[in-house]
Amino acid sequence: KAGVTQTPRYLIKTRGQQVTLSCSPISGHRSVSWYQQTPGQGLQFLFEYFSETQRNKGNFPGRFSGRQFSNSRSEMNVSTLELGDSALYLCASSLLELMAGSPLHFGNGTRLTVT
Amino acid sequence: DAKTTQPPSMDCAEGRAANLPCNHSTISGNEYVYWYRQIHSQGPQYIIHGLKNNETNEMASLIITEDRKSSTLILPHATLRDTAVYYCIVRVVAGAGSYQLTFGKGTKLSVIP
Repeated sequence: KAGVTQTPRYLIKTRGQQVTLSCSPISGHRSVSWYQQTPGQGLQFLFEYFSETQRNKGNFPGRFSGRQFSNSRSEMNVSTLELGDSALYLCASSLLELMAGSPLHFGNGTRLTVT
Repeated sequence: DAKTTQPPSMDCAEGRAANLPCNHSTISGNEYVYWYRQIHSQGPQYIIHGLKNNETNEMASLIITEDRKSSTLILPHATLRDTAVYYCIVRVVAGAGSYQLTFGKGTKLSVIP
């Protein structure tokens, strides 16, 4: 079974631009959640989508948004990029809704650098 | 809100058991404890999870105290490939019917030859 796939692997953007990251979950998984990882803040939960609906949300500004398609693939968008948005963005899929007893399977992330 | 506390780093001799503690004193009665590890430049890897009873799988064992305020991840025979940052995480109620995951800083385990 193929794992969680995130594209692109690396991305360089300029302040003020916007960016879209993509995540393809494991086949059959309906929940996709997104995380930001930085050296200073560690791993932080962004949001979760389940059956195309946002079910849970972390403490991030509205510049961070996402969506999920009918095939469970998900995209995350960050608008008006700031230098502090430079991070490793991880996506994870799971069979059930967030942590409802089934583990998360993470992709290897997209490394975003904002200059 | 349930949060986790872990020691920042630990060393373990290769072939010996690695015991990684986690404190989650405010965990709710129906919240699972999950353990993941992250090797540099990769996404976190699921290890094990549990609710009340001790759990064991091919990777590790999880010991949860009776009051559920702490747990210990046990790698029975640590190898160099077990060198990683280990995260103990719980689910936190963020609002009416919504949740978020809270990750601590993790424990950097160094397995020494």
